[in-house]
Amino acid sequence: DGGITQSPKYLFRKEGQNVTLSCEQNLNHDAMYWYRQDPGQGLRLIYYSQIVNDFQKGDIAEGYSVSREKKESFPLTVTSAQKNPTAFYLCASSISTGNNYGYTFGSGTRLTVV
Amino acid sequence: GQQLNQSPQSMFIQEGEDVSMNCTSSSIFNTWLWYKQDPGEGPVLLIALYKAGELTSNGRLTAQFGITRKDSFLNISASIPSDVGIYFCAGLYYGGSQGNLIFGKGTKLSVKP
Repeated sequence: DGGITQSPKYLFRKEGQNVTLSCEQNLNHDAMYWYRQDPGQGLRLIYYSQIVNDFQKGDIAEGYSVSREKKESFPLTVTSAQKNPTAFYLCASSISTGNNYGYTFGSGTRLTVV
Repeated sequence: GQQLNQSPQSMFIQEGEDVSMNCTSSSIFNTWLWYKQDPGEGPVLLIALYKAGELTSNGRLTAQFGITRKDSFLNISASIPSDVGIYFCAGLYYGGSQGNLIFGKGTKLSVKP
């Protein structure tokens, strides 16, 4: 079955540490996205990638970095520069940006700073 | 930039009640999508709307693409406990720099105590 997999489900980070969240899809989608979700805030776009080796900043990119070396993978690194990283992170993919079939989401990673 | 105003922010339901929520914008959209998110999971697509005035059903769910293309509505009939969760609207537009899909802030459905 095709889908999008995020790991780990739960992640704990110490102050000052970088952590990387994994996102893998086998849907053959060109576009991938990272969102951050906080209670009452909806989904806020961090980064997106339309194609391999290309990505653009979203609304809240500061303190985050991404790479897109393979079509299937779009890892997100939460750096120590992100001052309030505790949140639920969602990865999504779509056939392409601007297509009208919507996005397929992963099941999320909950990151907590300890 | 584009913004979607989704209301209500939250509501309590009693089993059997009908539920309505909507999304409005000052911008025109080409596609409206409705997603549901269960606690601790990612959103799942419920209904997609592609034409102004379109009315589409998926079981007990009915959604409409507004005539002006600036709004959309979702109705849930005869609610059941598994309907609880967060419902998001999303609008697709062409152009811009943010992947072209804009999300509302969600409507949280909870069961009345």
